[in-house]
Amino acid sequence: QQQVKQSPQSLIVQKGGISIINCAYENTAFDYFPWYQQFPGKGPALLIAIRPDVSEKKEGRFTISFNKSAKQFSLHIMDSQPGDSATYFCAAENSGGSNYKLTFGKGTLLTVNP
Amino acid sequence: DGGITQSPKYLFRKEGQNVTLSCEQNLNHDAMYWYRQDPGQGLRLIYYSQIVNDFQKGDIAEGYSVSREKKESFPLTVTSAQKNPTAFYLCATTPGAGAGEAFFGQGTRLTVV
Repeated sequence: QQQVKQSPQSLIVQKGGISIINCAYENTAFDYFPWYQQFPGKGPALLIAIRPDVSEKKEGRFTISFNKSAKQFSLHIMDSQPGDSATYFCAAENSGGSNYKLTFGKGTLLTVNP
Repeated sequence: DGGITQSPKYLFRKEGQNVTLSCEQNLNHDAMYWYRQDPGQGLRLIYYSQIVNDFQKGDIAEGYSVSREKKESFPLTVTSAQKNPTAFYLCATTPGAGAGEAFFGQGTRLTVV
């Protein structure tokens, strides 16, 4: 059972464009939704995260939009740059659960062309 | 310099051999995790440990074993029972249960030859 579904699997954007990656979840107990960025041969690193008490969070060029009723959240990268080319993972967690663990989406390979 | 150290970075194993991947952290985090990454499969949880001397199976634990004798260390053994061990293995930590951000090591790439 895939609890976090991520799309698209890959995305090509021109420099300066907007990159949008979507995720949907099933478990209504999830209450923490982070996005991770991973460069080739490296471990993922936290990019931005949101909790369901807000519908949007912005950090620089990166914005998370969250729709609790639809059980969906998305990452928007404004003014995309070639340096943003990486794999992006959404994740979800039930922070109040007895067995704490992150559930990841399958990832989106973003390529930003110069 | 705080962080998570995984070693070795590259590991080659002959079929039928057990190998152990090292993960050491000096972040004083309670929880540690092992993930396996395959192309197009995302990050799949193998084992996790929330406290010393305790660990739980993740989604794909078959063919793997772990120990958590020290807070700083969470080694993963890939046994000969793991049918397709070639993958990129990632160790992660969190401060504790429900503590938010996960920190990842740089990974170990295991190849069966």
